[in-house]
Parts: sequence; structure tokens; C-alpha cells
Amino acid sequence: RKEVEQDPGPFNVPEGATVAFNCTYSNSASQSFFWYRQDCRKEPKLLMSVYSSGNEDGRFTAQLNRASQYISLLIRDSKLSDSATYLCVVTGGSYIPTFGRGTSLIVHP
Amino acid sequence: GAVVSQHPSRVICKSGTSVKIECRSLDFQATTMFWYRQFPKQSLMLMATSNEGSKATYEQGVEKDKFLINHASLTLSTLTVTSAHPEDSSFYICSARKGTGKTDTQYFGPGTRLTVL
Repeated sequence: RKEVEQDPGPFNVPEGATVAFNCTYSNSASQSFFWYRQDCRKEPKLLMSVYSSGNEDGRFTAQLNRASQYISLLIRDSKLSDSATYLCVVTGGSYIPTFGRGTSLIVHP
Repeated sequence: GAVVSQHPSRVICKSGTSVKIECRSLDFQATTMFWYRQFPKQSLMLMATSNEGSKATYEQGVEKDKFLINHASLTLSTLTVTSAHPEDSSFYICSARKGTGKTDTQYFGPGTRLTVL
């Protein structure tokens, strides 16, 4: 089993739709969780950290479920500019980050 | 956020030559920097962890003699691809860790696209 798994997609949604991605991790000792966004041929950019209590930033909501070992990202009112690959990142006690393969999102008019 | 620069952004070289890539944290000190490689449509693969003042820790399968890493200061790490071959052509990305706690984050440089002819 891979350490961090994501559905590669693509998720193809219309503008204004709500879309959610999940990411599962295998190491129960994982400590920090992040969502990054990567545009084609660009470097990943931090979208948001994921806290135990969940957190929201505008149209984006991230949640952590330690019992089931997954994190989620919810995007409301999708924009064309949200089209990108969303990477799940998990770190352990030694802070060695492990990346998921990414989930591709395509928002169409 | 934080700013991490990477230079050069693109390099084309002949097989057998060595290529040096620099990664700098511009507005913070980074005790740890990471080097990744990403092939088309693949996820980022961690190559090595670079700690200031000590030897880099390489991931399994990454040749330390081929990918030389030097973390000379708290703001600079370099990756040298020695005797590059066409199969080394890839997108190389560095990141710098900001902070020292478990909730700190890493910020990425813009990447270096290496093409070996």
C-alpha cells in the first residue's frame, strides 16, 4: 500500500459546482497534513494546512479524519481558475514530507 | 507565504556534462531543504533531504555520487547532477522548510527543467 494515496481523476466539473477530494495515508503516526496546488509545468504552491479541527479558507475547506486516516478538500463554487492538480502532503515526526500523486481537477464553463 | 528561488529555471546540456542547480530561501532561514524530481504526469519524488552543515540524506535508489548536494548556508542549497545523461532529463524542484515545529510548512522553488541531449 502506498503511503499517501489519491484518486488521480480527472474530476471534470462545471463552473459553480462543489467538488471534494480525499487523500488516505498509511502511517498512523503522521503529524502534519497539507494541500498543495500544482499548475501544469509549475511548482507546487501551498493551498492550506489541515488541522485536526478542520479549517476553511474562502471557498476551500479541509478536514482531517485521524480515525480513518484521511484528509479531504472541499471546493465550493468552482472557478475556471481552480483547474489544477491538487497534491496531498503528509509528514511524520521527522518532517520528511510524502506526496500523493495528485488529483486533477478540470473546471469547464 | 515565503519566497524560494531556484536557478537556473531551464538548462539544456550535452550528455556527460555536469549541471549545478541553486536553491535559495530569500526571506527566511531554512535549516532543511528538500530536492525533488518530477517526471511528466508523475508525482514529486523526494530525492534527498539537505540539512545545513551536514551531509544530505538520500532516498533509496538515488545515487549520492551522481546527485551531489551541498547545503552551505541557511539560505542556500545546491544540487549538482554529475555526468548527466538523457534519462536525467526531468523537472527538479527544491523546497525549503520554514520553522522547526511539526506544523511548519515547506515552500517550493519554481523548479529547473533539465534537458540532457
